[in-house]
Amino acid sequence: KQEVTQIPAALSVPEGENLVLNCSFTDSAIYNLQWFRQDPGKGLTSLLLIQSSQREQTSGRLNASLDKSSGRSTLYIAASQPGDSATYLCAVYFQAGTALIFGKGTTLSVSS
Amino acid sequence: DTAVSQTPKYLVTQMGNDKSIKCEQNLGHDTMYWYKQDSKKFLKIMFSYNNKELIINETVPNRFSPKSPDKAHLNLHINSLELGDSAVYFCASSQGRAHGNNEQFFGPGTRLTVL
Repeated sequence: KQEVTQIPAALSVPEGENLVLNCSFTDSAIYNLQWFRQDPGKGLTSLLLIQSSQREQTSGRLNASLDKSSGRSTLYIAASQPGDSATYLCAVYFQAGTALIFGKGTTLSVSS
Repeated sequence: DTAVSQTPKYLVTQMGNDKSIKCEQNLGHDTMYWYKQDSKKFLKIMFSYNNKELIINETVPNRFSPKSPDKAHLNLHINSLELGDSAVYFCASSQGRAHGNNEQFFGPGTRLTVL
């Protein structure tokens, strides 16, 4: 069964800290992996998409890595800010013709 | 311009009613999806259409019927609503089901409350 797991479920850090969010998935034969951000009561905003052939992607203070052999991805957030507070979702596209399989998310709280 | 839009944003209705949620995307994508986010915030695929053809139909009660009049629209009709249908429903689109660069874009969601 294809599953995506995110640990921890919640994380609280002071402003300015660098942090890492973890995502693990079953089945290393994936097409791509996508990180999203969801603010309370809002929709999902796509942050980064990593193709199966890529090792990492960067956007501003965000860096996502992919290690297919170990079934892991990490989202690194540098110099965290209160505005980064949200739920971060990892989703994997395992096969063509299917849909994203989501993890349950990590809820991040950054205090000023 | 909103890339993926849904209407209504909120929907409150009584058990047993029939309701519809509409979704439109202006990204030129040919694949659209419906996801359900339950009370525990877990997102799960319900349906997917590619060029008006149903390609994914997860284990969803047949009270739920998606309809795609064209590749820019995917509507969700729900018959005989039940309390357990209360959730947030998200529409999404992507460039193509077999395309490796399958970045998905989500709408703002429709919060359905069944009383």
